[in-house]
Amino acid sequence: GNSVTQMEGPVTLSEEAFLTINCTYTATGYPSLFWYVQYPGEGLQLLLKATKADDKGSNKGFEATYRKETTSFHLEKGSVQVSDSAVYFCALSGGGGTASKLTFGTGTRLQVTL
Amino acid sequence: DTGVSQDPRHKITKRGQNVTFRCDPISEHNRLYWYRQTLGQGPEFLTYFQNEAQLEKSRLLSDRFSAERPKGSFSTLEIQRTEQGDSAMYLCASSFDSVTPGDTEAFFGQGTRLTVV
Repeated sequence: GNSVTQMEGPVTLSEEAFLTINCTYTATGYPSLFWYVQYPGEGLQLLLKATKADDKGSNKGFEATYRKETTSFHLEKGSVQVSDSAVYFCALSGGGGTASKLTFGTGTRLQVTL
Repeated sequence: DTGVSQDPRHKITKRGQNVTFRCDPISEHNRLYWYRQTLGQGPEFLTYFQNEAQLEKSRLLSDRFSAERPKGSFSTLEIQRTEQGDSAMYLCASSFDSVTPGDTEAFFGQGTRLTVV
C-alpha cells in the first residue's frame, strides 16, 4: 500500500536559516503529493502540492519538487521565520489508492528561534 | 463560510461509554473524510463519504465505530464502548470533486480531542 516517510524532528533553526525537510514515498502509479502545515492550536492547512512528476509546488516561500526517479518531495525554504514554527506533514493521494484519500507521514516539528 | 467545523473540540469520557462527534463541512463540498491522529503521528484515514454514500472504510474502523452523513451535509462519528486506545484527535475534512484525481484540496477542521479515562 501507499506510505510516506519523512525526517524525524524536531528541527530547530535560527531565523533566516535554510530549511530542508525530507520526504519520500511509496506508491504505485502516479500519486499527487502534498505538504500540509499545522500551526499551534490550528487545524491542518494545505501548504503546497504537485500532481505530476517534475512539478514544483510553491507557497509562502516554501517549495517542493515532485521527483519520481527518487520518489521524493522534499520541502525547502531559503530563509525561515519564527512564524514558520509548526508541524509539517508530507502526504500523498492516489497512486493505487482512493483518489482523494490522503496518506500522511508522521510529521516534522519545526522550531525557529531568533 | 467559516470552513470545516467540528463539535465538540474536547471530550473526556469514561471507558465503556459511547461518544458522538459532529462535523459540518464546507457547504458546497460533496466529499467528507474522517481521520484519526494520535500523539506524534500523522493523521490516519478512517472513512469517507461522497454525498451521503459511505464509499470506503479503513480496517482501523472497528465495528465499535460508525459514521453517517444522512443528507449529504453534516456527518457524525460514533464510538461505542470506548476504550483507552480510542484516545486521539479525530479530524474531519471536506473537499469538492475535481475532474483530475488528486487535484483537489481537502480542508480540515480543528478536530475533536477524545480522552478516554
